[in-house]
Amino acid sequence: DAGVIQSPRHEVTEMGQEVTLRCKPISGHNSLFWYRQTMMRGLELLIYFNNNVPIDDSGMPEDRFSAKMPNASFSTLKIQPSEPRDSAVYFCASSPFSRGDTEAFFGQGTRLTVV
Amino acid sequence: AQSVAQPEDQVNVAEGNPLTVKCTYSVSGNPYLFWYVQYPNRGLQFLLKYITGDNLVKGSYGFEAEFNKSQTSFHLKKPSALVSDSALYFCAVSDTGRRALTFGSGTRLQVQP
Repeated sequence: DAGVIQSPRHEVTEMGQEVTLRCKPISGHNSLFWYRQTMMRGLELLIYFNNNVPIDDSGMPEDRFSAKMPNASFSTLKIQPSEPRDSAVYFCASSPFSRGDTEAFFGQGTRLTVV
Repeated sequence: AQSVAQPEDQVNVAEGNPLTVKCTYSVSGNPYLFWYVQYPNRGLQFLLKYITGDNLVKGSYGFEAEFNKSQTSFHLKKPSALVSDSALYFCAVSDTGRRALTFGSGTRLQVQP
């Protein structure tokens, strides 16, 4: 199994530009999570999906952030317009079951730098 | 609301010595507890979890963790540290009411040769 695949691995963009991060979860997993990692705030849950449906988006910072999961094998996280404070490592993770006792499998992350 | 505290930003230990990385948690229901490890420029890797049953949980790479309900703790341990164990370690919690993990702030483990 290839694991959770994220693209791009690195993204540098100018303030005000639109950024789209992509994620392919592990085949057969029905839960997908987007996390953001920064030095100041650690690992924060942004949103998670169960069977392609957003369940909890309370961690999405503001309206500039949006996430979609059009099918079981693909998800995007979009930031429009981007700001320097959005610079972080964004992780996608998937889990085989939508239960709290099940571990999540993480991708290698996308390092976003907004200048 | 659920939360996790990792009181130590960094733990230093000599190779061959035992190591402990501390974690305490707060949840409203029965806790599910996890440990993950992160190597530089990599994603998080699952080490072990406690769901129910035996309070001592064994995981990958010789790590184990002890669940203590009265102290609401889930400390990560290893009898003999390796230099290659040097990494960032995260404790996480969820419960039956919340399917997503809440992570602690992380503890950097440095094992000196």
